[in-house]
This record gives sequence, structure tokens and C-alpha cells, in this order.
Amino acid sequence: ETGVTQTPRHLVMGMTNKKSLKCEQHLGHNAMYWYKQSAKKPLELMFVYSLEERVENNSVPSRFSPECPNSSHLFLHLHTLQPEDSALYLCASSQHPSGDRGRNEQFFGPGTRLTVL
Amino acid sequence: AQTVTQSQPEMSVQEAETVTLSCTYDTSESDYYLFWYKQPPSRQMILVIRQEAYKQQNATENRFSVNFQKAAKSFSLKISDSQLGDAAMYFCAYRDNDMRFGAGTRLTVKP
Repeated sequence: ETGVTQTPRHLVMGMTNKKSLKCEQHLGHNAMYWYKQSAKKPLELMFVYSLEERVENNSVPSRFSPECPNSSHLFLHLHTLQPEDSALYLCASSQHPSGDRGRNEQFFGPGTRLTVL
Repeated sequence: AQTVTQSQPEMSVQEAETVTLSCTYDTSESDYYLFWYKQPPSRQMILVIRQEAYKQQNATENRFSVNFQKAAKSFSLKISDSQLGDAAMYFCAYRDNDMRFGAGTRLTVKP
């Protein structure tokens, strides 16, 4: 276990549903991330929160809406998704670097396997 | 934008043998970090090894070592004495402010 948990582990939803993915980290980190992992493609960084503020949004469609209520929790709200959104969604956390940028590794959750019908 | 390329979608190694996974990256930065992550089937991604770009010495963690060639922008992972538990997807990653991952290499270990 890496100290990052995600629920649910599996989710099947229709295109008209609204659902949320949850991530929780128990490592005292202050940066959290959402990634999309599709087969045979690099991990796609979707959102970055640092000190509870969104610092990166990589041109993600508005049907994905992140929320970071505190430094330990991160949500990804989903609505009117498309079948091509089916993927493994990974949450990660790290200590936001101060000065020595990039040094700190990211700790990943187990992911939520999302299937959109 | 920085890109990370893993040219081997799949690799196979015999148990107890050595295998090398390739990774190249593109950047104009001089100060950055490189990582190899392991993602076993249905399990969490974990860090295998990390290399600071300003260090010339190659990082080593037990049976895992890297060959870091900064000028060539190459960062390969060598796994010695391969074990069945090494079977997984391996991702190379680059980070300065942003984190970028390669597409991964699926390693199979044959008994």
C-alpha cells in the first residue's frame, strides 16, 4: 500500500449518469493529481492541486470536474461522459517541492476502472 | 513540451537473467528528475528508482540500476537476476515542474 486510497475501484456508468471518484491520501502531502491511463498510451495528467488550489488543467473536457476540499481529499466529478472516457483513473499525491522542483516522487492510488456504456 | 519515449511496448526475460528497458526523453532543461515506476497487474504503481539529472553517478536500488546518459537524453533501467515478481508494466517518467510519463513497457518473466 502506498498511503493513497481510491474509491470505488470499479465503476460502470451510462452516458447520462453523474458519479464521483474519490481519492484520499494519508501521507501528509500537499499536492494531489488526477491521471487518465488508457491502454498503450502514456499517462495523461488531467489536474493538479497544490496547497488545495488547482494549478494545472490540461485541456480536460468540462464533463470532468475536480474538487479538492482539503489537502487529504480529491474528487473527480463525472457527468455526461462518453465511451472513449473509459479508462483507469489514477490519483497521486506528493509533497509540493519548495526550491528543489521536481524532486519529490508521486505516490499513486490503485485507480478506479471506469467503463462508460 | 517534454516527451518521454519508451520504444519497447513489450519485453520478456528468463528468470534469473538480466533485462534492460529503454527510455529516452526530450527537454531543454538542465535540472530535472527521472523516475522508473512499476505497475504490477491490478496493483498500485510504485516507484522503483529515481535519478537526479545533476548527478553523474547512476542510481542503484538492489537489483535495479539505471544507465543515465544526459547528453543523449537516455535513461534505461536494468533489472538483474530477474524474479517472477518483477513482471509488470514499467513506466519511465520525467519531472521538472510537470510530470510526464512514457507509454510503458510490459515485462514478462519466464520461469
